Amino acid sequence: NAGVMQNPRHLVRRRGQEARLRCSPMKGHSHVYWYRQLPEEGLKFMVYLQKENIIDESGMPKERFSAEFPKEGPSILRIQQVVRGDSAAYFCASSPERGVAYEQYFGPGTRLTVT
Amino acid sequence: QQPVQSPQAVILREGEDAVINCSSSKALYSVHWYRQKHGEAPIFLMILLKGGEQKGHDKISASFNEKKQQSSLYLTASQLSYSGTYFCGTAYNNNDMRFGAGTRLTVKP
Repeated sequence: NAGVMQNPRHLVRRRGQEARLRCSPMKGHSHVYWYRQLPEEGLKFMVYLQKENIIDESGMPKERFSAEFPKEGPSILRIQQVVRGDSAAYFCASSPERGVAYEQYFGPGTRLTVT
Repeated sequence: QQPVQSPQAVILREGEDAVINCSSSKALYSVHWYRQKHGEAPIFLMILLKGGEQKGHDKISASFNEKKQQSSLYLTASQLSYSGTYFCGTAYNNNDMRFGAGTRLTVKP
């Protein structure tokens, strides 16, 4: 039973480049959450998606950040024109049903470093 | 809307007990508890739904006081493996969750 998969595990980008982070939810899960974590800090909610639908993106920065979860394939978090402040660990989590009454299973995270 | 966790850090000897608190300024729909070890993904511990229930497994349990808008995580007879950062996640509706800043627990032999 494969868990939540994220790739790449580590990503280095120069300022101004684009970063694409992928998340494959657990089998049977159709709900995905993205979180950002700065060193020694908590998890900051970014976006909640269901297949082909953004349910809540209230935590996403208004510019440069976008997320999608297509009918086929992984969920993608895209950061355009990265800046040093984007350096963080990005975790995705999946759940089997809609809503926060269900546990979220986290992936191993992608550690983004912007040089 | 981020919940407030206390204490920020705690150091225990093996076998001692600890309580971690999570408080909200708004009415809660649910509370989640997770543990994260350094450099790893958060691991789910338990969910409590509004209704003032208490849950537990093994030596880790939690309570949810809906009236006080707070939850507490109880770790009894702590083991070395309990070390890590504990996060509570609070939800005010059915869509999204906000995590606290975490409580760093260190268990020493």
